[in-house]
Amino acid sequence: QKEVEQDPGPLSVPEGAIVSLNCTYSNSAFQYFMWYRQYSRKGPELLMYTYSSGNKEDGRFTAQVDKSSKYISLFIRDSQPSDSATYLCAPNQGSNYKLTFGKGTLLTVNP
Amino acid sequence: DGGITQSPKYLFRKEGQNVTLSCEQNLNHDAMYWYRQDPGQGLRLIYYSQIVNDFQKGDIAEGYSVSREKKESFPLTVTSAQKNPTAFYLCASSIGGRGEKLFFGSGTQLSVL
Repeated sequence: QKEVEQDPGPLSVPEGAIVSLNCTYSNSAFQYFMWYRQYSRKGPELLMYTYSSGNKEDGRFTAQVDKSSKYISLFIRDSQPSDSATYLCAPNQGSNYKLTFGKGTLLTVNP
Repeated sequence: DGGITQSPKYLFRKEGQNVTLSCEQNLNHDAMYWYRQDPGQGLRLIYYSQIVNDFQKGDIAEGYSVSREKKESFPLTVTSAQKNPTAFYLCASSIGGRGEKLFFGSGTQLSVL
């Protein structure tokens, strides 16, 4: 079983839709959970950072972590064409320097 | 503005040639990293450095070398031993390294002539 699994998509939605992006992981030691957004041919940028289980909201973005099922989600409300990018999940133990990344989900929001 | 600068943006390598990718940061971060990104493969760690004059191999270090002589700089050399170097290379830094948030540069696309 891979340490982090993420559906690569591509995912195409109309503007204004609610988007759900998901990852599963196998390492129960993960306790820090990050989502990065990467525009085409650019470096990833940190979008959301959460610790342990629960929800965190930032504007139109909500990160959700369920450690019991090893499932993490990113929700985007009122999606905009500027949200079109690849979204990478990155769960982390917090005890070493090797951050694990999912392969990324390519999202396109159509105007 | 604080950030990470990678250069060049595009780089071409001839057969048997070593090439060096530059990474400079002015964030005063201790830790720096090099990742390789291939289509459909996600990010794979090549090397990382916790402090000056120290670095560790990541998951795919074969065919690559690094140095960390200054806190601000972490260049990556792609040697002729790396038989499949075509990829998008990303440099990143973090304050401390252990589970810290990574800040990325804008990347270098390396292609083989």
